[in-house]
Amino acid sequence: GESVGLHLPTLSVQEGDNSIINCAYSNSASDYFIWYKQESGKGPQFIIDIRSNMDKRQGQRVTVLLNKTVKHLSLQIAATQPGDSAVYFCAANSIYDPGYALNFGKGTSLLVTP
Amino acid sequence: GAGVSQSPSNKVTEKGKDVELRCDPISGHTALYWYRQRLGQGLEFLIYFQGNSAPDKSGLPSDRFSAERTGESVSTLTIQRTQQEDSAVYLCASSSRQGDTGELFFGEGSRLTVL
Repeated sequence: GESVGLHLPTLSVQEGDNSIINCAYSNSASDYFIWYKQESGKGPQFIIDIRSNMDKRQGQRVTVLLNKTVKHLSLQIAATQPGDSAVYFCAANSIYDPGYALNFGKGTSLLVTP
Repeated sequence: GAGVSQSPSNKVTEKGKDVELRCDPISGHTALYWYRQRLGQGLEFLIYFQGNSAPDKSGLPSDRFSAERTGESVSTLTIQRTQQEDSAVYLCASSSRQGDTGELFFGEGSRLTVL
């Protein structure tokens, strides 16, 4: 199975700064990657995804970078806001996962201070 | 409904009792997944349903866990003879994708506490 982990369990940033959350994965067969945000008491919400044929994808204030050589994924949040405070999970899957079930890491807790 | 709906949102039970957790996926989503999330942990895959095919149960932790799905609609996750280690949030997700990778849409979960 996939081993997906986050480099840091917690990250504290000041409002307005940029945030970078890192993730490593172990399965070289992984071909789809996704970042979720989970607020307290809620289910994970989609942020951004990227397929293995890309190395960068941008959304609104977020950018995902994929380095397949070192099996590393990062999420960059520009101009971090208090509403960005949450736990962020990276997840990955491949054709070998049942129904392409996502394999999740433990998450990084992002705290945005004013 | 507009999103994945789960019930109950909270369940407290005594050790040894059976519990049933329900999931209503997004209408038209053929794929349905159950995950378990222990406190401060990531999500563990439990089981996957796709249409009328036999479910993939490879993630179920023991034979006390079972799940059913009626066609492409409601699913129930049953835990028999609950143990304290079963305490967790049980998340359901659905997806419209068939045979392809893609986003899973999650419900808000059912928080199970076993005393």
